[in-house]
Amino acid sequence: GDSVTQMEGPVTLSEEAFLTINCTYTATGYPSLFWYVQYPGEGLQLLLKATKADDKGSNKGFEATYRKETTSFHLEKGSVQVSDSAVYFCALMGVKAAGNKLTFGGGTRVLVKP
Amino acid sequence: GAVVSQHPSWVICKSGTSVKIECRSLDFQATTMFWYRQFPKQSLMLMATSNEGSKATYEQGVEKDKFLINHASLTLSTLTVTSAHPEDSSFYICSVTPVGGYTDTQYFGPGTRLTVL
Repeated sequence: GDSVTQMEGPVTLSEEAFLTINCTYTATGYPSLFWYVQYPGEGLQLLLKATKADDKGSNKGFEATYRKETTSFHLEKGSVQVSDSAVYFCALMGVKAAGNKLTFGGGTRVLVKP
Repeated sequence: GAVVSQHPSWVICKSGTSVKIECRSLDFQATTMFWYRQFPKQSLMLMATSNEGSKATYEQGVEKDKFLINHASLTLSTLTVTSAHPEDSSFYICSVTPVGGYTDTQYFGPGTRLTVL
């Protein structure tokens, strides 16, 4: 079945540091890929998505490129802020997903210190 | 973005009682609503998918008689945890897919923390 693996946290960074969160997936065909973010005390929010190979999703300074050859969708941000402290989830929606079900990775907690 | 609310935000109950959690889409109609369970420091586990007016589809291993889902309208779905036990303590999250929106887009509620004593 479909699965998503992402690096375990917590990841602790200083403000303005470069952030990378690795995400790899297993699925048949070409799934859609997502990054969701969960800020403290809030629900998950869609951060960015990519629906086909080589697509780059971007939002709020974050980027991720859909790499079919390496089955990866790594999240990057060039200069993080304290407000980026949150839990980040990589997810996929399979090609044959009935009812548009999402499969989530384990989540990566990011803490940005001033 | 779309707004999804959950009520209550947290609940504490005694073992053996039933608890109902509501999920509402506030500014749109939802074709499909999903219920997830999230354990501490772990990922979201899909429990069931519900469509308005039809029976929910439960994931393998989820007891449908224990976790009753009612999708009564295009803006409301409820999850009832029947005869709750301490092992049911968890964070329950709903998400919705809007009518007429991208079918790959889900909007999440803030979650409900259930503690069973």
